[in-house]
Amino acid sequence: DAGVIQSPRHEVTEMGQEVTLRCKPISGHDYLFWYRQTMMRGLELLIYFNNNVPIDDSGMPEDRFSAKMPNASFSTLKIQPSEPRDSAVYFCASASPGQSSYNEQFFGPGTRLTVL
Amino acid sequence: EDQVTQSPEALRLQEGESSSLNCSYTVSGLRGLFWYRQDPGKGPEFLFTLYSAGEEKEKERLKATLTKKESFLHITAPKPEDSATYLCAVQSMDSNYQLIWGAGTKLIIKP
Repeated sequence: DAGVIQSPRHEVTEMGQEVTLRCKPISGHDYLFWYRQTMMRGLELLIYFNNNVPIDDSGMPEDRFSAKMPNASFSTLKIQPSEPRDSAVYFCASASPGQSSYNEQFFGPGTRLTVL
Repeated sequence: EDQVTQSPEALRLQEGESSSLNCSYTVSGLRGLFWYRQDPGKGPEFLFTLYSAGEEKEKERLKATLTKKESFLHITAPKPEDSATYLCAVQSMDSNYQLIWGAGTKLIIKP
């Protein structure tokens, strides 16, 4: 398996623009997590899905953030409108606790977002 | 409130100089404690899961241990390629696979 795939790897945009981040989880994994990582706040869970259904979005900072998972192999995280304080690395991770005795999450390479 | 604290924030060692990283946690019922390694520009990579006090896991030069309040990641005779940020996370019995993350320890091994 190719692992978790994220695109784009880097995104530079201007304040007020819409940003869409994409994620393809590992095939067969039924949990998908979106994280944000900054130097100040570390790794923060934004939202996670189980079998394509959002389970907990309490980490989504504002209504400007939204996430969807239309099918088991694709998810998006959208920011509209974007602000400079949204600049961070966004990670997608997937897991399949039923297939592993370790419950580990597998992370993608991340998308580095810069909002000017 | 569930919480994870890692120390030190950064650690510089000479190649071959053994040491330990600490992860202290407060959680209402531990389901599991996880150690991850993160290299610059990459996502965290899973190392170990520990489930109960007294448990130990080993992988090459790394050994993770767990007590009721903290976990240690022991690094024996480290090499420069062990340089990375090491992240600790816990999962409580109340959560559905959500993890609470520590801020990490940045480890630098000098040749």
